[in-house]
This record gives sequence, C-alpha cells and structure tokens, in this order.
Amino acid sequence: DAGVTQSPTHLIKTRGQQVTLRCSPKSGHDTVSWYQQALGQGPQFIFQYYEEEERQRGNFPDRFSGHQFPNYSSELNVNALLLGDSALYLCASSLLGQGGQPQHFGDGTRLSIL
Amino acid sequence: AQSVTQPDIHITVSEGASLELRCNYSYGATPYLFWYVQSPGQGLQLLLKYFSGDTLVQGIKGFEAEFKRSQSSFNLRKPSVHWSDAAEYFCAVGAQAAGNKLTFGGGTRVLVKP
Repeated sequence: DAGVTQSPTHLIKTRGQQVTLRCSPKSGHDTVSWYQQALGQGPQFIFQYYEEEERQRGNFPDRFSGHQFPNYSSELNVNALLLGDSALYLCASSLLGQGGQPQHFGDGTRLSIL
Repeated sequence: AQSVTQPDIHITVSEGASLELRCNYSYGATPYLFWYVQSPGQGLQLLLKYFSGDTLVQGIKGFEAEFKRSQSSFNLRKPSVHWSDAAEYFCAVGAQAAGNKLTFGGGTRVLVKP
C-alpha cells in the first residue's frame, strides 16, 4: 500500500521564478493538504483540496496556488519566488468527513531559493 | 483560533532514561490531538492520536500521551529512551469542523546521550 509520494525530492530555483510541486495521496484518501515547514519551525498550513476545489486556506499570499486532479493527486504552484519561500513543503492526505482522521505525510520537497 | 505551544525547544536525555515532552493547546471545543515525529530530512510520522474516550493513549515505538482537559495539555512520554528516538517531535491540534486542518507547535528536538 503506497503512502503519500511527493516529487521532486529537492529543487533549486532563483528569485522570481515559478515552481510546481507534486503529490500523490495515500491509496483510498480523497483530501490533500499542503504545509510549509521553514527551517527550525513547525509545519504551517497552506491550503487543502477536496473534490478538485480549495476548501480551506491558511495565511499565504495568492502567489501560492494549487490544483487537485480527478485521481486525487495534487500540485502546489508558487509564483514569483522569494528567498523566504525556501522551506520543506509537505503534502498530507486524509479522508474528509472522518472526524479527526489522522493525516498521512509524504517526505516532502526541499525547495531552495537562490 | 487553534494554537499549540511546545515550551521546550531542545531536550537532552540519556539513553535508558525517561522522556516527557510538553504540549499545550488552545481550542474552543474538544480537540483532536496528535503527536508526530520527524527524523532529519524526512516527513512526519504519526506516533499517536487522541479523539475521545480514555485520556491515556498508547502509540507506536513505546510512546504514550495523556490528555488533560483542565490543563489544556497533551504531554508525550516514553519510559525508556533509545538512541533511535533522537528526532524532532511535533504536537498538533485538529478539529472535524476545520476539515482535518492541523495546527502544529514549534517542535521539540530530542537529543539522546549514550
């Protein structure tokens, strides 16, 4: 049973560029959430997708956008990259409606901005 | 709004000694509480969760946590630490109303001395 998979593992970009990160949820899960984890901090919620729509959004600017596909996989897009966007980006999947259902996390994509 | 505080940024413990990590949360209703562990360069692995019922919950790797509503706490414990327990530990709070969105504490880094 494959868990949450993310690609790529590492990515190096320069300021002003755009990046797309990808996530495949755990088998049977229908909801994907994205988190940003800056060095030395806890993960912060970016947004959540369910039925191909953004359900919830954290305190992140519009430069951060996403998409969910019919097979439940998801992409996170970040435009106009800033140095402060350097972080580990974590994808988590779960089953919506299963109250308190724990989220399963992937190993993340390490994004470095030069 | 949900919030989580982990008062200890670093904890050093000798191998074989007991470990307790503190977590305090703020949430208006009954929360769903989680402890995750993160090894360097890795994603988050769920150690245990509390939804309702028995306030002492058992998790993987010999960890347990106790929910104390009166103190808004959910402390993690392990009776005897192994060198492989060196990692970063995150407490998180979620709620069904929030659709499984998680709010994390800042984490506690555990170092294990031989």
